[in-house]
Amino acid sequence: EVQVVESGGGLVQPGGSLRLSCAASGFTLSTYWMAWHRQAPGKRLEFVANIRPDGNEINYVDSVKGRFTISRDNAKNSLYLQMNSLRGEDTAVYYCSKDVLGGYFEHWGQGTLVTVSS
Amino acid sequence: EIVLTQSPATLSLSPGERATLSCRASQSVSSSLGWYQQKPGQPPRLLIYDASNRATGIPARFSGSGSGTDFTLTISSLEPEDFAVYFCQQRSKWRTFGQGTKVEIK
Repeated sequence: EVQVVESGGGLVQPGGSLRLSCAASGFTLSTYWMAWHRQAPGKRLEFVANIRPDGNEINYVDSVKGRFTISRDNAKNSLYLQMNSLRGEDTAVYYCSKDVLGGYFEHWGQGTLVTVSS
Repeated sequence: EIVLTQSPATLSLSPGERATLSCRASQSVSSSLGWYQQKPGQPPRLLIYDASNRATGIPARFSGSGSGTDFTLTISSLEPEDFAVYFCQQRSKWRTFGQGTKVEIK
């Protein structure tokens, strides 16, 4: 069974950092683009970043460029999102998913909540 | 940024009825539009990709149509498990999502 499980969320002060992890099972991570998304309370889903199977192509939404870093460890079947210089507007549930068919998203995890507040 | 606007915000229907959901793009996305279903406490599930192609395992009662700026998701006969929120998403320029349509039991 295909499964992705996010972890690493929590409460962090503005300006702080968090590292999210996404553990994949039931499929070979190394053959898929992967993505992170977020959904802030009462707002629409937002695509945050994606990464090519070999890690050599990465894309970010403008609002996180220079602050967030997506990475992967195919040997560990894991995806990561390092989030630095966090702001209140980064408060959201963060999801990872497969990025398939040239830009659609399958097999989302249950999400991990990130709250940025003092 | 391509903005996707969904209508209506809420659709109140009974099981067995037909549901018609709309998604309008602020500029043409050709056929590069998908639809997702999300139930409370669950992640989104891909239903339709490239406007009219059902994703793996999606029942035939779900169908998509449209191109350019106007798209429709149709659920031919609502089952109890279909009451949920539905989002559209474009992949033509970057990736953006609509704000969602809630299909609720009347």
